[in-house]
Amino acid sequence: GAGVSQTPSNKVTEKGKYVELRCDPISGHTALYWYRQSLGQGPEFLIYFQGTGAADDSGLPNDRFFAVRPEGSVSTLKIQRTERGDSAVYLCASSPGQAAYNSPLHFGNGTRLTVT
Amino acid sequence: AQTVTQSQPEMSVQEAETVTLSCTYDTSESDYYLFWYKQPPSRQMILVIRQEAYKQQNATENRFSVNFQKAAKSFSLKISDSQLGDAAMYFCAFGNEKLTFGTGTRLTIIP
Repeated sequence: GAGVSQTPSNKVTEKGKYVELRCDPISGHTALYWYRQSLGQGPEFLIYFQGTGAADDSGLPNDRFFAVRPEGSVSTLKIQRTERGDSAVYLCASSPGQAAYNSPLHFGNGTRLTVT
Repeated sequence: AQTVTQSQPEMSVQEAETVTLSCTYDTSESDYYLFWYKQPPSRQMILVIRQEAYKQQNATENRFSVNFQKAAKSFSLKISDSQLGDAAMYFCAFGNEKLTFGTGTRLTIIP
């Protein structure tokens, strides 16, 4: 595809359930980022992959959140035992290289997660 | 801690006029980049303009320009000849590998 693809577009789940959010980056992009955007806020950094490895996961709020990128392309953000406070738009972005300036981020349309 | 402050939750401008969105930030780093992103209702974040912190010359992209004051840690966005398609949320951000975003300014264009 031409851009970053995120599925599903919207997800409604019950408190305590497990969810997976998927991100398909632009082909060939080595860097992949997850951000979380709560209502009325700007995006907050969660985790950054360079290839298959998590280069920086300092933004993950707790151990209920986990992300993988096993083949260096598609990434999955996994949330266990969801809580109502996890409700937000989860944005994925990819870039061709490492530096934010030289390789600007290309964002997807996000997944809106609602925990009831 | 790194923070970004956008003190204008909402702004409006008459079509074809000029509007300036303000942004201040706080960091102890000396080398970083600054960005303005636009977010329409589709939720996709679109890069508007970027600036290297070590460059004194203000960046310009067509109708969009910035006023970067490093000592004051200020990075405002000026939109000239505003168009209806400019209506969106605008986010200021800075960083290197990971970006810190402000809370955004909702820009309305009045026809």
